[in-house]
Amino acid sequence: DAMVIQNPRYQVTQFGKPVTLSCSQTLNHNVMYWYQQKSSQAPKLLFHYYDKDFNNEADTPDNFQSRRPNTSFCFLDIRSPGLGDAAMYLCATSRAGTGSSPFFGSGTQLSVL
Amino acid sequence: EDQVTQSPEALRLQEGESSSLNCSYTVSGLRGLFWYRQDPGKGPEFLFTLYSAGEEKEKERLKATLTKKESFLHITAPKPEDSATYLCAVARRAGTALIFGKGTTLSVSS
Repeated sequence: DAMVIQNPRYQVTQFGKPVTLSCSQTLNHNVMYWYQQKSSQAPKLLFHYYDKDFNNEADTPDNFQSRRPNTSFCFLDIRSPGLGDAAMYLCATSRAGTGSSPFFGSGTQLSVL
Repeated sequence: EDQVTQSPEALRLQEGESSSLNCSYTVSGLRGLFWYRQDPGKGPEFLFTLYSAGEEKEKERLKATLTKKESFLHITAPKPEDSATYLCAVARRAGTALIFGKGTTLSVSS
């Protein structure tokens, strides 16, 4: 089945130790998003790619970076995780211009010790 | 500022007790309003998209409606398996990213 796959499902890192989360999709969607969701809060958009064009939200900390080497894959890099970065990270994809709803992966739950 | 507000934050129902969840929004140029279901520890699962005031969509025990200022998710005769957090989100005409509300956590007991 076509889908959005996030790895790993659970990630534990140490304070200040760089970590990379990955997302892959078989939907051939041209837009990919990264959202951060803390407990009992709304998902918050960090950035998104429209094809190869990177769009950063104004309030996304510089500590968060992203790479999209091809249509299928997208990575979220957290350069120096702090305790406040512990959250669920959600990857989503959509096809721009069609009105289609973004399709979400299962998320990566990040813990920072 | 674009904003999505959902109420109530939490709702407890008995099995078979129908109710409605509310999503009010302010957004410059609504491109679409989306409802998702989210189970604990999982990503949001798409339920409905509504594009214009007056539009309604149904799926099993769920029915979503849209006005110019708010949307309702009506749950008819809910079952325990309907227990989840229901998220509302809007897309602006200027961009593609969704703006989410905090969600309503629904608990249905038998």
